[in-house]
Amino acid sequence: NAGVTQTPKFRVLKTGQSMTLLCAQDMNHEYMYWYRQDPGMGLRLIHYSVGEGTTAKGEVPDGYNVSRLKKQNFLLGLESAAPSQTSVYFCASSYEGETEAFFGQGTRLTVV
Amino acid sequence: SQQGEEDPQALSIQEGENATMNCSYKTSINNLQWYRQNSGRGLVHLILIRSNEREKHSGRLRVTLDTSKKSSSLLITASRAADTASYFCATDRQGAQKLVFGQGTRLTINP
Repeated sequence: NAGVTQTPKFRVLKTGQSMTLLCAQDMNHEYMYWYRQDPGMGLRLIHYSVGEGTTAKGEVPDGYNVSRLKKQNFLLGLESAAPSQTSVYFCASSYEGETEAFFGQGTRLTVV
Repeated sequence: SQQGEEDPQALSIQEGENATMNCSYKTSINNLQWYRQNSGRGLVHLILIRSNEREKHSGRLRVTLDTSKKSSSLLITASRAADTASYFCATDRQGAQKLVFGQGTRLTINP
């Protein structure tokens, strides 16, 4: 049972480039989340989804887009990367919004 | 703004001592959860306490919840070097359908 898998684990982008982070879960969870973690800032919610085909904005959605075309996958896109998006990105999933969340191992993104 | 705020931001104690971390939040919640994060890793769920519960235990962990003060505490008893990590509280605000984390407490256990 893989749980929550994030790809890639590391990436370096140039300013203005685009990329997509993939999150996959095999637990049949309805809820999926994308967070970013910066030093001293804890985890901040970027976007989340409460089911296949749904997405919603979190605390810091600007500069990011998401899609949940399949229940098991939640994609986070950066259309035009900026240095301020240098961070560690975590994906998580849960059966419901009120239950235990399972986290991936993170993606360390550097924008130069 | 973030829902939960942990206190202290950093805590350093000797192995064998107890560690207490606090979390305050702003709005009514359904549940409050505590997570641990080892350096460079993802978060791992420790314990969930529901809004109608006041105290919960799991092994060496004891969590309390005071909804009137909008606060929670996590107590780790008989600390071990392996407990060195960052600890986060997370809340799901009523009707919000999302899990929001605080900034975390960095706990260091000295041998």
